[in-house]
Order: sequence, then structure tokens, then C-alpha cells
Amino acid sequence: EDKVVQSPLSLVVHEGDTVTLNCSYEVTNFRSLLWYKQEKKAPTFLFMLTSSGIEKKSGRLSSILDKKELFSILNITATQTGDSAVYLCAVEGIQGAQKLVFGQGTRLTINP
Amino acid sequence: DTEVTQTPKHLVMGMTNKKSLKCEQHMGHRAMYWYKQKAKKPPELMFVYSYEKLSINESVPSRFSPECPNSSLLNLHLHALQPEDSALYLCASSPSQGFYGYTFGSGTRLTVV
Repeated sequence: EDKVVQSPLSLVVHEGDTVTLNCSYEVTNFRSLLWYKQEKKAPTFLFMLTSSGIEKKSGRLSSILDKKELFSILNITATQTGDSAVYLCAVEGIQGAQKLVFGQGTRLTINP
Repeated sequence: DTEVTQTPKHLVMGMTNKKSLKCEQHMGHRAMYWYKQKAKKPPELMFVYSYEKLSINESVPSRFSPECPNSSLLNLHLHALQPEDSALYLCASSPSQGFYGYTFGSGTRLTVV
């Protein structure tokens, strides 16, 4: 059975700190790994990673995938209170149709 | 239009009621999804429609009945639900070929009383 595990489940830091969120996976016929940010309702897309070792970057956020070790990390530098959210990692495997398997999420709280 | 629109945003229904959730997108996406998300849990896939045909049903109870009338619309018909079915129901869409632009709607917060 496909599985995605995120760590830590919860993280509290001070504004300005740098955080690293982890995502490991086991999935049949891996196609892509995605990171989402969820505040109150809909998850919003952050990154999609398909190739190993290539860093994706958007402002203070960056992510990288290691397909050999089956994990990804999401880094946030100079954190702000607006970064407080649940960060979801999801992996797509090819199973006849597109299907995402989500991890449990990391609840990140940034204190001023 | 780059959004997935879900209505209603909130719904309270009794266990004997029949109601429907609606999802609409105009991005030309040909795959549409229903997810269920309980509090402090990740979204769990319920159904996938690909080119308006049901391609995945994750062993969802028959009290949930999906419908895809056309490529832009996805409904979820609800009947005889249980209180444990209370959750956030998320709709999403993606291009059927390739996987760029998987977009979620803002969800319907369902409470079964």
C-alpha cells in the first residue's frame, strides 16, 4: 500500500527562524511529489517535484527530492507569522488514473 | 478562470436528509476528484472521474453518490449520512494527461446532525 510519512507532525518556532519539513514515501510507480500549504480550507499548491536533486525555489521556500532515498524536504527561511499553516506532502503514483496519497501533514506555528 | 468553485460552503443536514454538493471548474481539466478531510487529518481520496467516467471509487459507502454531468461539473449526492460523515469535502481537478495544475476548491464544511 502506498504510504507518505511526514515529520515532525507539529513544529513551533519564532519568527525569523529557518525550518525544515520532511516527507518520506513508498509508492508504486512514482510519478511526482507535491507540497501544499493548507491554512483554513483549500490546500494551495507550492511545488511539484519529479526529478531527483533539482531544487525548486519560490521566495523563502525551497524543496528538493531524493528519489534514491525516497524523501523530500521543504525549507522555509526567515519565517513569518503568515507561514503558520499545515504543510501537506502528497505523492502521485500511476495507478490507472491520477491519484494523490497525502501524508499526515506538519502543523507549523510561527510565533512573533 | 483558474479556480475550482464549490457550493455550498457550509451545510448542516439531518441523517434522513438528501443533499448535494456541487463542484465546478472551467479550466478544461478532464480529471476531477472528491476528497474527504476530517479535522487534523490529511485529505482522503473518495472518487476520481476521468473524462466524465468514474475511474476510482475508494470503497466509499453507497450513501455517497458521485455524478459527473459534464466535463466542468462534479456533484456529490448525499443520503442517509451518519454524524461521523461530518468533515470538509474538497473537490479538485487536474489535466488528465500530465499532472500540472492540480487545483483544489475551498471545500464544503458538512455537519451531519
